[in-house]
Amino acid sequence: NAGVTQTPKFQVLKTGQSMTLQCAQDMNHNSMYWYRQDPGMGLRLIYYSASEGTTDKGEVPNGYNVSRLNKREFSLRLESAAPSQTSVYFCASRHVPGQPQHFGDGTRLSIL
Amino acid sequence: QQPVQSPQAVILREGEDAVINCSSSKALYSVHWYRQKHGEAPVFLMILLKGGEQKGHEKISASFNEKKQQSSLYLTASQLSYSGTYFCGSEGFGNEKLTFGTGTRLTIIP
Repeated sequence: NAGVTQTPKFQVLKTGQSMTLQCAQDMNHNSMYWYRQDPGMGLRLIYYSASEGTTDKGEVPNGYNVSRLNKREFSLRLESAAPSQTSVYFCASRHVPGQPQHFGDGTRLSIL
Repeated sequence: QQPVQSPQAVILREGEDAVINCSSSKALYSVHWYRQKHGEAPVFLMILLKGGEQKGHEKISASFNEKKQQSSLYLTASQLSYSGTYFCGSEGFGNEKLTFGTGTRLTIIP
């Protein structure tokens, strides 16, 4: 009963390095989302994918790219990491609008 | 536009009641409520889909006034386990995105 699985759970990068955060869901959900959460803040949407083969920008897309590899997997890539991207990243999925979002456990990313 | 939540933080003694409000500047299709404990992922509480709808979950219930674009979360006879940060999420018509509020930190003390 995995739900939404994110890897890795923790990562430390140096400024300028690149990295891909992985997310997979086993609930056959159509929509997937990437959020970032800074300390004491709410969740801000980076990118989302309403269905396999489509992706759209959220509130804070700059510095990120995404790939909806198939219905199960949605990855987030930082091409050239910056200290401002230090955050906790959450992946979420749901079947359709109006349904609850299910969250992964998060990836804690620090960029030095 | 991010929904506005109030209050930003509240401290209660066990057994007391609390109300958390969520207000949007846009017409809403639904409002979601989530609770997040420190260091964990947000957990879904409930969705309200219709104007004036009220839903309940044990001692936690919520209302949704579609005309006013507002929702309120009611926590009755609070328990220690209710501590955490509560987020509302607003969803517009025909919109795939869920926009979260800034959160309300609830602390329950014995």
